[in-house]
Amino acid sequence: NAGVTQTPKFRVLKTGQSMTLLCAQDMNHEYMYWYRQDPGMGLRLIHYSVGEGTTAKGEVPDGYNVSRLKKQNFLLGLESAAPSQTSVYFCATVGGASLHFGNGTRLTVT
Amino acid sequence: GIQVEQSPPDLILQEGANSTLRCNFSDSVNNLQWFHQNPWGQLINLFYIPSGTKQNGRLSATTVATERYSLLYISSSQTTDSGVYFCAAGNNNDMRFGAGTRLTVKP
Repeated sequence: NAGVTQTPKFRVLKTGQSMTLLCAQDMNHEYMYWYRQDPGMGLRLIHYSVGEGTTAKGEVPDGYNVSRLKKQNFLLGLESAAPSQTSVYFCATVGGASLHFGNGTRLTVT
Repeated sequence: GIQVEQSPPDLILQEGANSTLRCNFSDSVNNLQWFHQNPWGQLINLFYIPSGTKQNGRLSATTVATERYSLLYISSSQTTDSGVYFCAAGNNNDMRFGAGTRLTVKP
């Protein structure tokens, strides 16, 4: 039982490149979330999903897209990366009203 | 959206000391959680506590929903308690995080 798994763990992109972050969960949870964490700040919600085939915008959605084609996977895409998207990205699910986080992806955009 | 403020921003303790961390939120919520982010960056859920009091070993938490605040108590602190403690408040679709309290426990 791995819980919430994020890949990759680290990535360096050049400005304008694209990439997809993968979040996989084996807990059969309906709700999934993508957050970003910047130094000195708490986590901010980018996008979330309340079930397979659904997505919705969170607090800071600009520059990101998401998809939830399968219940166990939630993908976060950056179509044209910008230095302002340098951050640590966390995926989470909700089980019993509690958030369960993956270990994060550290993304640097140069 | 809901505003979440945590205090103090930084706290340095000697091992064995007790501490209280505070979380204020700006509106009614149906979900409040406390997390510990360890020095490796992992986020561990400590409590789901939209109201009332809970205890787990040396940690306990109290939320007074009518007054819009929550407290996290750490007793007999250990060096392994070091890290950043976050409060998150809101509902399942929109949980807002505070900026955290950075706790350093010295041996």
